[in-house]
Amino acid sequence: QVQLQESGPGLVKPSETLSLTCTVSGGSISRYYWSWIRQPPGKGLEWIGHISYSGSTTYDPSLKSRVTMSVDTSKNQFSLKLTSVIAADAAVYYCARRSEFGSTSYPGHYYYYMDVWGKGTTVTVSS
Amino acid sequence: EIVLTQSPGALSLSPGERATLSCRASQSISSGYLAWYQQKPGQAPRVLIYGASTRATGIPDRFSGSGSGTDFTLTISRLEPEDFAVYYCHQYGTSPPYSFGQGTKLEIK
Repeated sequence: QVQLQESGPGLVKPSETLSLTCTVSGGSISRYYWSWIRQPPGKGLEWIGHISYSGSTTYDPSLKSRVTMSVDTSKNQFSLKLTSVIAADAAVYYCARRSEFGSTSYPGHYYYYMDVWGKGTTVTVSS
Repeated sequence: EIVLTQSPGALSLSPGERATLSCRASQSISSGYLAWYQQKPGQAPRVLIYGASTRATGIPDRFSGSGSGTDFTLTISRLEPEDFAVYYCHQYGTSPPYSFGQGTKLEIK
């Protein structure tokens, strides 16, 4: 079955760029959208954004100015970059697959949920 | 921006009891956009319910979801020891941010 694995530095200095990669195994990255979600220590989940296999992106408006997502279909990977990090960006970062299902009431309309998640990677922000 | 408010923040119950968790949206959303996730300590979340009421693959039938408009409910009919965890609702609607509720911690009494 499809598995996701996050990778990247566990320590980032304030004002620098956080870079993470999610590798998709057991299936193709194509035909899906792929999300990043984070969880600050002891807190709840925050959706960061998603990217399609073709590179179409949607970001949380509050992070939009600092976030860039990209996809490399040849490597079955997608990536997250978050610039100018601050202490509040310290979190466990998860990648996840967005699945869809069709509406029975509105043909051609789709709904979404995240059905496959990586185990998460902890990012600390400190000098 | 849609805000999801979960209640209660924490719930103490015993195995075998029924758990009822609430998720209220700040504005009406299509039930298709609402999902529930379970998270155990040190683990990634896993989807339980999507489309407000459809159980995800492999999820036991003691888990059920309901609701529409602004009020959604996750019910666990008879709690098993492995059900004690944190539960989040999430709306993946038409425009971002696609917010999560703050979570309900289900604890063993």
